[in-house]
Amino acid sequence: AQKITQTQPGMFVQEKEAVTLDCTYDTSDQSYGLFWYKQPSSGEMIFLIYQGSYDEQNATEGRYSLNFQKARKSANLVISASQLGDSAMYFCAMREYSSASKIIFGSGTRLSIRP
Amino acid sequence: EPEVTQTPSHQVTQMGQEVILRCVPISNHLYFYWYRQILGQKVEFLVSFYNNEISEKSEIFDDQFSVERPDGSNFTLKIRSTKLEDSAMYFCASSVDRQNEKLFFGSGTQLSVL
Repeated sequence: AQKITQTQPGMFVQEKEAVTLDCTYDTSDQSYGLFWYKQPSSGEMIFLIYQGSYDEQNATEGRYSLNFQKARKSANLVISASQLGDSAMYFCAMREYSSASKIIFGSGTRLSIRP
Repeated sequence: EPEVTQTPSHQVTQMGQEVILRCVPISNHLYFYWYRQILGQKVEFLVSFYNNEISEKSEIFDDQFSVERPDGSNFTLKIRSTKLEDSAMYFCASSVDRQNEKLFFGSGTQLSVL
């Protein structure tokens, strides 16, 4: 069974600092994908970054990078040089390619950026 | 950039009434999904749909729920007899294929059951 764990319900970070949001996952599949989505207070779900289980390089998208440690089954999101607009809920998610078509989400981390 | 469109943005209904939530997925996408998010909680998978049939559903998606792609562009979620606990944000999503790297989400329909 799929399982995504985000252990940080909330975080406060000073503007311009880097922040790491933790995510661990559990799967018996060899082939899977990991995702991060941002949900601002307006409610929409915004895709940030994706990492495939066979990707050797850590994914990066602008200020976002995914610290993928396959042996530890972790997929932490790193946001460099945080901005006030980064304040939002962040969800880690996973899709197992061998069987399920669905993406399963973690419980989320609420990130608040202090000016 | 193409986007998933959901209507209405807000829906208020009385308990026991039927509601239909509508979605227009991105035109070249083949997989369609419904998720829901109860206020302050995680995003929960309801159902996935491919080739005009349900490919997977969660335990939440019981007999009171149904999905349909009536005309090749719309994708609907029907809740037959709403309960108070159905109050949530309902998100439609689509992807090009099953292994595509991301789902594109609509902006959601906030359903309030009174």
